[in-house]
Formats: sequence, C-alpha cells, structure tokens
Amino acid sequence: DAKTTQPNSMESNEEEPVHLPCNHSTISGTDYIHWYRQLPSQGPEYVIHGLTSNVNNRMASLAIAEDRKSSTLILHRATLRDAAVYYCILKAGTASKLTFGTGTRLQVTL
Amino acid sequence: EPEVTQTPSHQVTQMGQEVILRCVPISNHLYFYWYRQILGQKVEFLVSFYNNEISEKSEIFDDQFSVERPDGSNFTLKIRSTKLEDSAMYFCASSAGGAGHEQYFGPGTRLTVT
Repeated sequence: DAKTTQPNSMESNEEEPVHLPCNHSTISGTDYIHWYRQLPSQGPEYVIHGLTSNVNNRMASLAIAEDRKSSTLILHRATLRDAAVYYCILKAGTASKLTFGTGTRLQVTL
Repeated sequence: EPEVTQTPSHQVTQMGQEVILRCVPISNHLYFYWYRQILGQKVEFLVSFYNNEISEKSEIFDDQFSVERPDGSNFTLKIRSTKLEDSAMYFCASSAGGAGHEQYFGPGTRLTVT
C-alpha cells in the first residue's frame, strides 16, 4: 500500500477554517484519496474521497495537488464536534480494504 | 439515513471461549469488512467479503477467525478460541463497491477477554 504522511496533531479555533494536509508522494495512477475521521469512542466515519479533481460535499472539501502527490482536507468552519482523528488513506484501484495510519488529531477550541 | 449496526455493544468472555460478533450492513451494499482497534492503537483491517466469499484477509485473520453471511442481512465474525490479545474494538463496515466507493462503519463491539 502506498504511504501517506500527516502531521500528528493540529489545533483550530471554533468557526475558523481548517486545512489538514496529507503527503502521498508514491501515489499510483489508480489510487483514490480517501479521508475518514474517528470521533472519540466511535467507529471511523467517511468524510470525502477523490481521484484527480477537487471534491466538495456537505462535510468538507478535498483539494488535490495537480501532481497528486499531496492533498488537503478543508473543513470550512470547524466546530467542537469536528474534534477527531482524521485519516488520509490511499485506496488502490483493485483493492478495497482501508489501511489506517495514525492520522492527525484535530483539537478545536472555543 | 441507512447505517451499519452491530451487536452486542460490549462482550465479555473468558479466554478459550468462542464469540460471535454480529453486524447488519447497509441493505444494498455488496462488500463487507471487519476491522479491529486495540486500545490506543491503529484501526487494523481483518477481512473483506464479497459475493459470499472472502476476497482479502490480513495476517491477523488466522484459523481462529471466520466470517459468515448466514442470511440476506447479517454478517458475522466468529473467534473460535479467544485469547487475551483479542481484546479490542471490532468494527464492521460495508460499501456499495470497491476502491472508488466509501465504506460505512458500525459503532463497534468492544470485546474484552479475561
């Protein structure tokens, strides 16, 4: 599985935008970029995914670099409920499992 | 909104006993998964299941583990003879398709082996 690199932790103020970076320099052409998050004491939760183009949904936006070697998850207005561990995962075109790393722990403060 | 459900939420068992963890995936999904998370550690993939057979399994998923879809709605994980190191949160997930599709996770079953 291709590897991703994320900061261990980030902090944000409530109501501010948050940009969570992910490096994946060894990404292959068929790898999808998936983001999941895990709130305390809960199961992982799907956030967003993309292949080449930027993506938006009701939870977040995903900005993918032109060379696809990095991506950024954007939470437009962080709330206290967004405090979680965020995982950037590359999902191979022919495989279906998710390989979780240690992710980025996001703290949101008032 | 459809969701993945799991029962029980917490299972306590003695070492050497068999346990069955149950999951009801989202109804029109075709791919099913089990993951586990030992306290304080990463979420680890155990097994994926498609078309009534295992499509992929990890090194963790040894002969003590088995999965089954006994009817059209349930998906189970059986551990034949539990060990202390099997204590973990077990998450079931399902998806409508493969790589380009998102997975939806259940709330988990906390398994405690004493």
